[in-house]
Amino acid sequence: DIQMTQSPSAMSASVGDRVTITCRASQVISSHLAWFQQKPGKVPKRLIYAASTLESGVPSRFSGSGSGAEFTLTISSLQPEDFATYYCLQHNSYPYSFGQGTKVEI
Amino acid sequence: EVQVVESGGGLVQPGGSLRLSCTASGFPFSTYWMSWVRQTPGKGLEWVANMNPGGSEKNYVDSVRGRFTISRDNGKNLVYLQMNSLRAEDTAVYYCTKGGHLDYWGQGTLVTVSS
Repeated sequence: DIQMTQSPSAMSASVGDRVTITCRASQVISSHLAWFQQKPGKVPKRLIYAASTLESGVPSRFSGSGSGAEFTLTISSLQPEDFATYYCLQHNSYPYSFGQGTKVEI
Repeated sequence: EVQVVESGGGLVQPGGSLRLSCTASGFPFSTYWMSWVRQTPGKGLEWVANMNPGGSEKNYVDSVRGRFTISRDNGKNLVYLQMNSLRAEDTAVYYCTKGGHLDYWGQGTLVTVSS
């Protein structure tokens, strides 16, 4: 099974900061990676698929990059509504697996 | 508008069974993979199972294989998760999701396994 490791697990940031979250796969997964955002008490929402393709309606301050086994989610200028937990998901091989999450706090 | 609505959660004793249902609308259901994902209270996400549009391919995470069964009724836009031999560690919110790559999520239904 493929293990997904996110770093950091939690971070403190301020409005306007550039934020980078890393997701590492235990095996090569090509670009079969998605990023999700979950706000407290809310349902996860997909932000990015195929490692770097922005979901329709997602602000352009979000971007994804990487391929192979290392990926990053970048928020270019953190906004108040971006404080949430972010998860990566590999869908290269079964069983699909999520990272443990990165909580972005004020 | 895409809608995915889960039902069937509740309290069940260890070793018991429960069937979750998911009603979908707003997209051509019979052409989409459907998936189940769960989230334990206060913890992370775990992919549970998915099924192809025709129902001929089903995939499961190891921890539920042999106990859970995913199925669908394309005529009624329904997907099910039959859960047998439930354990305390199956306690979670279960989400039904559109697509094999989880592009849209329902609100979830809580399953609690406890005596």
